[in-house]
Amino acid sequence: GQNIDQPTEMTATEGAIVQINCTYQTSGFNGLFWYQQHAGEAPTFLSYNVLDGLEEKGRFSSFLSRSKGYSYLLLKELQMKDSASYLCASLDSNYQLIWGAGTKLIIKP
Amino acid sequence: ETGVTQTPRHLVMGMTNKKSLKCEQHLGHNAMYWYKQSAKKPLELMFVYNFKEQTENNSVPSRFSPECPNSSHLFLHLHTLQPEDSALYLCASSQGELTGANVLTFGAGSRLTVL
Repeated sequence: GQNIDQPTEMTATEGAIVQINCTYQTSGFNGLFWYQQHAGEAPTFLSYNVLDGLEEKGRFSSFLSRSKGYSYLLLKELQMKDSASYLCASLDSNYQLIWGAGTKLIIKP
Repeated sequence: ETGVTQTPRHLVMGMTNKKSLKCEQHLGHNAMYWYKQSAKKPLELMFVYNFKEQTENNSVPSRFSPECPNSSHLFLHLHTLQPEDSALYLCASSQGELTGANVLTFGAGSRLTVL
């Protein structure tokens, strides 16, 4: 079956760095997405990786290893506003999105 | 307005009621989606419409009935729901087939409580 695994909850300190991991098993692969969802708000697109390696966008970076079925989202210089849920989703061979349950990130001062 | 707008934001209904959720997108997208989001569970795709035609129905119970009158509007009609249907219902749109270039744009959701 198809499956996405990510931690349920993580806690980090303001100003620090946190890495949110995601492992996936899907029928075929057409890329890996990360979305951010603040409580009570719409999920918003953060990143898309289809090739191996690290892609950096300001304080956020996303990494992909296709051979390992593994991705992570790296958040640097954490701010209180980064407290949110982070959703990992894999695009399978039929261009269907397979979603993880999300990681709730709590930032403490 | 821009983006994807959902109304109402909150809805409480009894099991015998009939209500509808509305979604409107101002992005010129051709595909629209309904998702169900329950606490600590992955997003569940319910329905997909592409150019107003339903292209996906993920074994959703008939008490949920979608309607897509045009590419900008999507409705979810609800009747005789069960308490386990209480969840956040998210509408999303995309330019076309999902790829790295075409990503989902979500609305803020309609929080549904079934008593």
